[in-house]
Amino acid sequence: ETGVTQTPRHLVMGMTNKKSLKCEQHLGHNAMYWYKQSAKKPLELMFVYNFKEQTENNSVPSRFSPECPNSSHLFLHLHTLQPEDSALYLCASSLPGQGGVAYGYTFGSGTRLTVV
Amino acid sequence: AQKVTQAQTEISVVEKEDVTLDCVYETRDTTYYLFWYKQPPSGELVFLIRRNSFDEQNEISGRYSWNFQKSTSSFNFTITASQVVDSAVYFCALSEADTDKLIFGTGTRLQVFP
Repeated sequence: ETGVTQTPRHLVMGMTNKKSLKCEQHLGHNAMYWYKQSAKKPLELMFVYNFKEQTENNSVPSRFSPECPNSSHLFLHLHTLQPEDSALYLCASSLPGQGGVAYGYTFGSGTRLTVV
Repeated sequence: AQKVTQAQTEISVVEKEDVTLDCVYETRDTTYYLFWYKQPPSGELVFLIRRNSFDEQNEISGRYSWNFQKSTSSFNFTITASQVVDSAVYFCALSEADTDKLIFGTGTRLQVFP
């Protein structure tokens, strides 16, 4: 148990489907992140939320739509994805505020997404 | 701009060999933090170590040791007497004091063969 729980662990979806990835943490962290990890590419930061507010969108296509209803939950809504969106999507959390990242992130196990 | 370079894409060793994973970073800040994470086949990134820019003491934790050298902007990671269970992808990462982001290197895949 890492403290950050991601569901589902695996997801296969068609290009016309709509699905959502879920991330949950009860570590008392107020910053949450979505990362994309593609084969042979570095970890790409997608979105950053601090105290439920989005503070960074790293030029992510609009077919990815994040939602952070509270500091413990983070969603990534997916629609009309492309095969090149197939990747491991990792959620992470950290302590509140900018200084919190100095303690590093706690990561979930990721959702392995395959778009067919 | 901040950047982390892990020049070694993949390393293969035989069990009980020592192995060093290299990490070179770039930052304009004087206050920053360096990390190593391990990603086993299961996918999650496991925190290994954090080091702040004011602490250049090397650290040893069991078979793991880290060599932080500001003069060369390097934060290398050595596994002594490697084991098959050490097989994973290892990431070096950097955060600056005034940001809420961790910047990762591209990772080094370590394969330890019996």
